[in-house]
Amino acid sequence: NAGVTQTPKFQVLKTGQSMTLQCAQDMNHEYMSWYRQDPGMGLRLIHYSVGAGITDQGEVPNGYNVSRSTTEDFPLRLLSAAPSQTSVYFCASGNNEKLFFGSGTQLSVL
Amino acid sequence: SQQGEEDPQALSIQEGENATMNCSYKTSINNLQWYRQNSGRGLVHLILIRSNEREKHSGRLRVTLDTSKKSSSLLITASRAADTASYFCATDVRGGADGLTFGKGTHLIIQP
Repeated sequence: NAGVTQTPKFQVLKTGQSMTLQCAQDMNHEYMSWYRQDPGMGLRLIHYSVGAGITDQGEVPNGYNVSRSTTEDFPLRLLSAAPSQTSVYFCASGNNEKLFFGSGTQLSVL
Repeated sequence: SQQGEEDPQALSIQEGENATMNCSYKTSINNLQWYRQNSGRGLVHLILIRSNEREKHSGRLRVTLDTSKKSSSLLITASRAADTASYFCATDVRGGADGLTFGKGTHLIIQP
């Protein structure tokens, strides 16, 4: 099993550009989530989904959109990138007793 | 706001020594988990302790939970160079939204 796969691993954007971070899992987990990790801030929850067609906001949702059309995929969209969105993004799947994380996407917004 | 806070922020010890990290949290929880993150990698689940448990062991890991003090500790015994990583506590908040709330982490360095 591949587990949780994130693409791309690295991305540089200009302010105002949009992009989609991809996340796929092959463990048939209903729950998927996106976190961002900033130095000294730990991980903060952006959006999560408890199943196909169901999404909800986490702690820091502004500037991000998500959708969940299938159990496997949970893409994160940056609508108009800002320097404040420079961060490392992690996708995770599982449940409230154990999360499996992808290897992360390092995003820089110039 | 952060639910969990790890202490210390950084810890450096000699190989073979024991490492202890602490986590404090603010609200009632269903469970508390510890994760490890190696540099440049995603987080890996280590151990879970439920709110009605006081202590749990897994290999060289020992976790304690004191719900009256809203705190937990992670002890790694007989440390190895491969234990060098950041360690995070995460809480499943009772009555909260789905998803875990993570602390800021303790960076552990094991000196050979």
